[in-house]
Amino acid sequence: NAGVTQTPKFQVLKTGQSMTLQCAQDMNHEYMSWYRQDPGMGLRLIHYSVGAGITDQGEVPNGYNVSRSTTEDFPLRLLSAAPSQTSVYFCASSLLQGISGNTIYFGEGSWLTVV
Amino acid sequence: SQQGEEDPQALSIQEGENATMNCSYKTSINNLQWYRQNSGRGLVHLILIRSNEREKHSGRLRVTLDTSKKSSSLLITASRAADTASYFCATDALKGGTSYGKLTFGQGTILTVHP
Repeated sequence: NAGVTQTPKFQVLKTGQSMTLQCAQDMNHEYMSWYRQDPGMGLRLIHYSVGAGITDQGEVPNGYNVSRSTTEDFPLRLLSAAPSQTSVYFCASSLLQGISGNTIYFGEGSWLTVV
Repeated sequence: SQQGEEDPQALSIQEGENATMNCSYKTSINNLQWYRQNSGRGLVHLILIRSNEREKHSGRLRVTLDTSKKSSSLLITASRAADTASYFCATDALKGGTSYGKLTFGQGTILTVHP
């Protein structure tokens, strides 16, 4: 049981390049999400998904695309990288929250630098 | 704007002392969760307290929730150098009785415990 696995761990991109951050979970969680973490800003939700074929925008979706073709995978695509997207990206998953709440499991993070 | 706001932003104490971190939020919540992040790592779930609970314990951790004041506190007793980390509160906003884990994170408190 690997939990939430993110790749790559580190990436340097040039402005205008595109790339995909991969995220996979093996806990059969319905809910998956992507956050970015910037100094002094906490974590901000980019996109999330409540199941295969269903995605929705979070707080800061511009410049990012997601898809959820399987329960296990939730890739995050940067369409045309900008320096403002330099950040640490975290993928997370959980069972659907419901009224009782559920623990969210985070990946180890992907450090992205756009030059 | 952030739903959860922690204070203080930074806390420096000696081993053996207690550490108290506070979190305030703005809207009605389903539950509130506390997470820990070691430098360069992902977030790890510590404790979840539901909106109908007032206090919860887990080992050396004690969390309180005051929904009338929209605030929560995390107390770490008898702190250790290994407790050095950033601590985040996250709120799960209540929407029609169900939410999909759209946790909103605060900016975090950086705790340093000196040996």
